[in-house]
Amino acid sequence: NAGVTQTPKFQVLKTGQSMTLQCAQDMNHNSMYWYRQDPGMGLRLIYYSASEGTTDKGEVPNGYNVSRLNKREFSLRLESAAPSQTSVYFCASNVISNQPQHFGDGTRLSIL
Amino acid sequence: GIQVEQSPPDLILQEGANSTLRCNFSDSVNNLQWFHQNPWGQLINLFYIPSGTKQNGRLSATTVATERYSLLYISSSQTTDSGVYFCAVRWTSGSRLTFGEGTQLTVNP
Repeated sequence: NAGVTQTPKFQVLKTGQSMTLQCAQDMNHNSMYWYRQDPGMGLRLIYYSASEGTTDKGEVPNGYNVSRLNKREFSLRLESAAPSQTSVYFCASNVISNQPQHFGDGTRLSIL
Repeated sequence: GIQVEQSPPDLILQEGANSTLRCNFSDSVNNLQWFHQNPWGQLINLFYIPSGTKQNGRLSATTVATERYSLLYISSSQTTDSGVYFCAVRWTSGSRLTFGEGTQLTVNP
């Protein structure tokens, strides 16, 4: 039982390149989330999907798009990467929105 | 505005000492979680505790929802307890977790 799996773990991009971060969970959870964590700060929500087929903006959605591919998978796309998007990205999931969230190990993304 | 405030921001302990971390929140919540972010950056779930008291080994947590605070107790601290401890809440009126800025804990041998 892997929980929440994120790929890749590390990535370096050049400004303007595009990239998709992948997330999959095997806990049959309904809700999935993407967060970013900047140095010395807590996590901030980018987008979430309360259930399969729905997505909504979080606190910092600009520059990102998401796709809830199926119940297991929720991807985050950077269409034209900018240095301000250098961060650690975490994916999370839970059964329903008021239950505990379970986090992946993060993707460290650097944009030069 | 709606806030999650954690204190202290930094804490340095000798191995074996006890500590209390605090999380204050400014509105009613229906989800509160404590996380430990280890030096490798992994977020470890410690407690899901929107109210009441829970214990897990050397760690325990208490949330008093009516007074809008939660406490995380670490007893007999170990060097492996080092890292950042985050409190995160889901407002009753909202849909997402809001994180505090964390408490950086260093436990020295």
